[in-house]
Amino acid sequence: RKEVEQDPGPFNVPEGATVAFNCTYSNSASQSFFWYRQDCRKEPKLLMSVYSSGNEDGRFTAQLNRASQYISLLIRDSKLSDSATYLCVVGGNKLVFGAGTILRVKS
Amino acid sequence: DGGITQSPKYLFRKEGQNVTLSCEQNLNHDAMYWYRQDPGQGLRLIYYSQIVNDFQKGDIAEGYSVSREKKESFPLTVTSAQKNPTAFYLCASSPRTGNRNEQFFGPGTRLTVL
Repeated sequence: RKEVEQDPGPFNVPEGATVAFNCTYSNSASQSFFWYRQDCRKEPKLLMSVYSSGNEDGRFTAQLNRASQYISLLIRDSKLSDSATYLCVVGGNKLVFGAGTILRVKS
Repeated sequence: DGGITQSPKYLFRKEGQNVTLSCEQNLNHDAMYWYRQDPGQGLRLIYYSQIVNDFQKGDIAEGYSVSREKKESFPLTVTSAQKNPTAFYLCASSPRTGNRNEQFFGPGTRLTVL
């Protein structure tokens, strides 16, 4: 079983849609959780950290469920510019990256 | 401008040659990392360093070597022993202070073995 698992997608959604990604992790001792965004042939960029109480940054909301060992990312009012691969990242001393979920937002 | 730089952006190598990838950061971060990314796969950790003059193997260190003589610099050498070196190589750094262990990436180097 992979340490961090994500649905690879692609998720094809129209502009303005709400889309949610889930990610599961296997190490119950994990301490830190992040979502990164990676554009085609570019480096990953930190989108947001994920906190136990859940957190929101504009149109993006992240949730953590430690009991079930999954984290989620909700994107509201999708924009064309949101098209990218979203990486779920979990870790302690080292970070473990999921393979990513592809999002395509279409007009 | 604070950030992480990697050079070159593209690199072509003949089989049997060693090649060194550069990574420099001016963020004053203690920790630095090297990953490789293959199409459709997640990032895999090659080596990491939490402090100057110290580094540890990651999950796929065979065929690679690193050094950390300065806080700002963490070069990666891809040796001829690496069986399948064609990949996208990413360098990252992290402040690792308190609870902050998020990583910030350089633009990457695409290595192609001819």
